[in-house]
Amino acid sequence: DQQVKQNSPSLSVQEGRISILNCDYTNSMFDYFLWYKKYPAEGPTFLISISSIKDKNEDGRFTVFLNKSAKHLSLHIVPSQPGDSAVYFCAAIAGGTSYGKLTFGQGTILTVHP
Amino acid sequence: DGGITQSPKYLFRKEGQNVTLSCEQNLNHDAMYWYRQDPGQGLRLIYYSQIVNDFQKGDIAEGYSVSREKKESFPLTVTSAQKNPTAFYLCASMRRLGRSTGELFFGEGSRLTVL
Repeated sequence: DQQVKQNSPSLSVQEGRISILNCDYTNSMFDYFLWYKKYPAEGPTFLISISSIKDKNEDGRFTVFLNKSAKHLSLHIVPSQPGDSAVYFCAAIAGGTSYGKLTFGQGTILTVHP
Repeated sequence: DGGITQSPKYLFRKEGQNVTLSCEQNLNHDAMYWYRQDPGQGLRLIYYSQIVNDFQKGDIAEGYSVSREKKESFPLTVTSAQKNPTAFYLCASMRRLGRSTGELFFGEGSRLTVL
C-alpha cells in the first residue's frame, strides 16, 4: 500500500524554465511533508518542508504547495538549473510521531538541459 | 565536520552469509534509522532507534537485525534470511526536537550485492 505516490518517474526541463514535481498521498494523518534531493551514489539531502497548517512555503528558487483537500503537494523550482538534475523524493510524517517515521514516495528523476 | 559515516560503500556477499553495515554519527542525534532503496520503490524503513538500547521494526524488518549500544552507532546486519538483499542501504539520523519536523540527515549509503 503506497501511501505516498510520485506518479511521474521522470521529468525533463530546459534550463531557466520551471520544474514542477508532484506528489499525492492517501493517509489523512500525515501533517508534515518534506522534499529530499538525491544525487547518484549519495544519500538524500533535505530540501524544503511544509506543515499542514500552511498551503505554501518558499525558500529561494524552491516553493512547495500543499492542497490538503486533494491530498496533493508539489515542488516548484524556478528557474531550473542543470545542477538541479537529481532524484527528488517526497516524504510525509504523521501527527504525534516524535521521531519522524517518514514515508517516502518512489522518487522523480529531474533532468535540466542546458 | 559533523556527519554520518557509512561503511563499506560497496559490499559483495555470497548467498547464505550474514553481513554487517556500519553507521556512525557525530551529530549527537538521538534517533537513527536504516532505509533501503530499490529502483522504483523509493526509500523503505527497515529499523529505527530513538534511544540507546532501544529500537523498533520498520516496514520491512524481516531478515535484518540491528543494535544500539552507543548513541553514535547503529549497525545493520543483513542475515541469510533476507530473501532479496541486493540494494542500496541508507543510514540516517535525526536531532531530537520536542516534536519532530522530520528532517533526516543521511549517510552516503552502502551498496550491497549478493553474488
